[in-house]
Amino acid sequence: EVQLLESGGGLVQTGKSLRLSCAASGFTFWRFAMTWVRQAPGKGLEWVSSTGGDGGDAYYADSVKGRFTISRDNSKNTLYLQMNSLRADDTAIYYCAKDAQNDNGMWDWFDSWGQGTLVTVSS
Amino acid sequence: EIVLTQSPGTLSLSPGERATLSCRASQSVSSNYLAWYQHKPGQAPRLLIYDASSRATDIPDRFSGSGSGTDFTLTISRLEPEDFAVYYCQQYGRSLPFAFGQGTKVEIK
Repeated sequence: EVQLLESGGGLVQTGKSLRLSCAASGFTFWRFAMTWVRQAPGKGLEWVSSTGGDGGDAYYADSVKGRFTISRDNSKNTLYLQMNSLRADDTAIYYCAKDAQNDNGMWDWFDSWGQGTLVTVSS
Repeated sequence: EIVLTQSPGTLSLSPGERATLSCRASQSVSSNYLAWYQHKPGQAPRLLIYDASSRATDIPDRFSGSGSGTDFTLTISRLEPEDFAVYYCQQYGRSLPFAFGQGTKVEIK
């Protein structure tokens, strides 16, 4: 059974940093692209960042580009999101999600999601 | 960059009724690369439909997806109590960014 467990959320001041983790199990982690998606209070789902199976490529939404860094440690089956220069509008539940297919040259739908970790940015 | 617009924003229905949710894209969605998710508060989003009309594993057959090009529909044939939730469409494909619709809330009337 695929499991994704996010951690690292919490209350942080504006301008500070936070690192989120997503521990994966139940599948061959290194073979699948992974993505972070967030949901601000009262809002819908927003794509944040994605990386391929080997972690060599990284893509970001314009709203986080230059501030957030996605990475992965395939030896630990863990995905990360380093968030710097946090702003109030980064307040959200952050979900990690697993790409549905591997090795097909596409960014696919998400067949598994974690329960999310809440990040609250306040002055 | 594709923008997805879902309608209606809220759908008020009774158990047993049929729900029809719309997702319209600002440009044609390549190869019908469109997914639908169900999301309940405090839970992980759940994949329902991919490739516009393929039901995900263990999804009941009362959920169906249809459409092509720029207009897509999620239909719930007979609402069960556990189906009241927010539903999102999502576009995927060979390039990023991913796009999500803003969601449709299906609430109990």
